[in-house]
Amino acid sequence: DQQVKQNSPSLSVQEGRISILNCDYTNSMFDYFLWYKKYPAEGPTFLISISSIKDKNEDGRFTVFLNKSAKHLSLHIVPSQPGDSAVYFCAAKGLQGGSEKLVFGKGTKLTVNP
Amino acid sequence: ETGVTQTPRHLVMGMTNKKSLKCEQHLGHNAMYWYKQSAKKPLELMFVYSLEERVENNSVPSRFSPECPNSSHLFLHLHTLQPEDSALYLCASSQERVSSYEQYFGPGTRLTVT
Repeated sequence: DQQVKQNSPSLSVQEGRISILNCDYTNSMFDYFLWYKKYPAEGPTFLISISSIKDKNEDGRFTVFLNKSAKHLSLHIVPSQPGDSAVYFCAAKGLQGGSEKLVFGKGTKLTVNP
Repeated sequence: ETGVTQTPRHLVMGMTNKKSLKCEQHLGHNAMYWYKQSAKKPLELMFVYSLEERVENNSVPSRFSPECPNSSHLFLHLHTLQPEDSALYLCASSQERVSSYEQYFGPGTRLTVT
């Protein structure tokens, strides 16, 4: 049973436009959410995060929005650049089996076309 | 060297072989993790070490055996693997008991079991 879902396996946008990546979760006890970016042949790298007590966090071109009532978060990238082409993973932190751990989605492959 | 390093980057082994994956972190973190990433699946947490003690084992088969000799090094010993164990194995580290809970990943070892 997947607790963190990224329902779009891929997304293609034009350079300069907005990219919106979505993530849904089922566990209301998650208290922290993170986005990771992964290039081929590299490990995931941390991008941006948000605490469950907030609804928005912004860092340069990247903004994460959290809608707790809908159990939904999204990552906005604006303007999108070709170098943003990568797989983006959503992750949620919560207590499982007595210890804190991250639960990841399957990822969304973003392609930004020049 | 900085960050999290993993060796080897690629490994092909037969089902009767014994091999080990190595991970080293240069970030001064006190927790380390092994993840498995199979095609079209979320990242699966395998093992967690905190302060060099194993605190989590997500029902991983005994053919995978972790070792954490100190806070900077983590090994994954492999023996009598199955073809379905072919995947990308990622190591990560973090500093526990901080609010952000960011994990820093290595580049991964691409394992193929023949």
